[in-house]
Amino acid sequence: GAVVSQHPSWVICKSGTSVKIECRSLDFQATTMFWYRQFPKQSLMLMATSNEGSKATYEQGVEKDKFLINHASLTLSTLTVTSAHPEDSSFYICSASSVVGLSHEQFFGPGTRLTVL
Amino acid sequence: AQSVTQLGSHVSVSEGALVLLRCNYSSSVPPYLFWYVQYPNQGLQLLLKYTSAATLVKGINGFEAEFKKSETSFHLTKPSAHMSDAAEYFCAVSEDGNKLVFGAGTILRVKS
Repeated sequence: GAVVSQHPSWVICKSGTSVKIECRSLDFQATTMFWYRQFPKQSLMLMATSNEGSKATYEQGVEKDKFLINHASLTLSTLTVTSAHPEDSSFYICSASSVVGLSHEQFFGPGTRLTVL
Repeated sequence: AQSVTQLGSHVSVSEGALVLLRCNYSSSVPPYLFWYVQYPNQGLQLLLKYTSAATLVKGINGFEAEFKKSETSFHLTKPSAHMSDAAEYFCAVSEDGNKLVFGAGTILRVKS
């Protein structure tokens, strides 16, 4: 089956620093990748949609300059949390979309837990 | 706007008993509907999806869900729970089949 990896699986950083999270589709090409954020005991909230070679589309309320998304190839998207603060601590999940049969299907990465001290 | 409501953040069943996880949705257009399962430290895995074909959808691991338009529901069921079914389950809706809106999730506990 289609596999999506994320790196790192967890990261701890100091307030004010930037953190980059990678999302890779290992065995398929994904024209579209999605980035989600999941708070404890809450659901996944879509942050942005990323299409290869173009600018990401951010959901309402998500700061573009805070969460930089790059989708430079069909197998790699990155999310950079700039000038991280404790309130950015969360579980970040990516997914990669592929056409299965006649419809799209999203394949999810295992997530990255970010803790900002 | 789309939304998903999952009734019950925690559901506990005995091994061998019926599993019923509830999901109600709102959508301004005929929706695509999904159920995902998340095991600890793993990514979400698709259990099944409704894409306007048959209203009763069969998925992996013996799960199935029925789309009921009149009730705006897409409840997930399994006739007999196994210990390995213990996980968190998410219902999701999409208007275009690609961009997903998730419910809050239901943690299923299976008692031996």
